[in-house]
Amino acid sequence: DQQVKQNSPSLSVQEGRISILNCDYTNSMFDYFLWYKKYPAEGPTFLISISSIKDKNEDGRFTVFLNKSAKHLSLHIVPSQPGDSAVYFCAASVGSGNTPLVFGKGTRLSVIA
Amino acid sequence: DTGVSQDPRHKITKRGQNVTFRCDPISEHNRLYWYRQTLGQGPEFLTYFQNEAQLEKSRLLSDRFSAERPKGSFSTLEIQRTEQGDSAMYLCASSLETGISNEQYFGPGTRLTVT
Repeated sequence: DQQVKQNSPSLSVQEGRISILNCDYTNSMFDYFLWYKKYPAEGPTFLISISSIKDKNEDGRFTVFLNKSAKHLSLHIVPSQPGDSAVYFCAASVGSGNTPLVFGKGTRLSVIA
Repeated sequence: DTGVSQDPRHKITKRGQNVTFRCDPISEHNRLYWYRQTLGQGPEFLTYFQNEAQLEKSRLLSDRFSAERPKGSFSTLEIQRTEQGDSAMYLCASSLETGISNEQYFGPGTRLTVT
């Protein structure tokens, strides 16, 4: 039973445009939501996170939006750059400390120059 | 600090053999996690430690798997009597017990191939 779902396996975006990656979850007990980026042959790299008490968090070109009533979050990348091409994982955790993460299956983003 | 390191990066073994992987976390991090990732899936939690204490084990961690963190620093993950289904990327991550963003820092992983 997938508690964190990324329903789009892949996404292609033109350089300079906005990339929107979506994630849905089923467990209402999740307290933190995180986005990780993964290049081939490397481990996942933390990008941005959001607490369940917030609805938006911004860090440079990356913004995460959380809609708790819909159990949905999204990652916006503006403007998209070719170096953003990677697999993006949505993850969630329960509890206020650093607890194990539950990951989605990932979305492969391709930014086309 | 150079981040989380894992050794070896690649391991090919025959079915039935035992394998052991090592993870060295970021030095000041007291939590250490093991995840497994198979093709087309996201990482799946296996187990984690706070210092030397193993706090939780996933039901994915069968009796053939054992993990240790004897001195609260590096950790080892051993798989006994490997099976072809054990072929995967084994990822280690570390973190502080509490953090502003709940982030974990991942190593590059050990890719296991069981033939």
